[in-house]
Amino acid sequence: KNEVEQSPQNLTAQEGEFITINCSYSVGISALHWLQQHPGGGIVSLFMLSSGKKKHGRLIATINIQEKHSSLHITASHPRDSAVYICAVRNPSGGSNYKLTFGKGTLLTVNP
Amino acid sequence: GAVVSQHPSRVICKSGTSVKIECRSLDFQATTMFWYRQFPKQSLMLMATSNEGSKATYEQGVEKDKFLINHASLTLSTLTVTSAHPEDSSFYICSASRLARETQYFGPGTRLLVL
Repeated sequence: KNEVEQSPQNLTAQEGEFITINCSYSVGISALHWLQQHPGGGIVSLFMLSSGKKKHGRLIATINIQEKHSSLHITASHPRDSAVYICAVRNPSGGSNYKLTFGKGTLLTVNP
Repeated sequence: GAVVSQHPSRVICKSGTSVKIECRSLDFQATTMFWYRQFPKQSLMLMATSNEGSKATYEQGVEKDKFLINHASLTLSTLTVTSAHPEDSSFYICSASRLARETQYFGPGTRLLVL
């Protein structure tokens, strides 16, 4: 079973700051997801990546397969970025089921 | 594109009753849907995986007779919590993907409270 560790657990930042959230996992994966969960509970898929780097607006996700590590960066953070950010890894389990193993999440609070 | 809806968004029921939660992919056909449960301040935990037209695959420790899953079409999966108990109170989230190996798109979740 894959173990997914996120750090930090909680992060408070001032508006405009550059933010980094880290994710480490223990065994090989086929893909890694970064998800955003708002206080109401709904989840938005931000990125799915298996190598390199992806960018969408102010969000950047990177992954280092050899080091089993991924980072999510937020540039010019804004209070509306306040949410729980969840790292999830996908283990190909054979057959047609591709399960996700989730980290515990990082609670980000951006103050104005 | 890739919108997933859930209904209802929240439900309160009495202990012993059954509750049905619907998960729909609105603008794509989902061959695979996943059902998750999330307790307060905890990670999402996979309950079961359903593929259209076949029986769901349940995770260890999840009672298939209590949590009935039906994936009768490429746009709809349902989770029925039978004989609900207060300990079933939780946040239930579904996700859907066109193919199992592709990105999962998550629904907004259903908050269940069993009194």
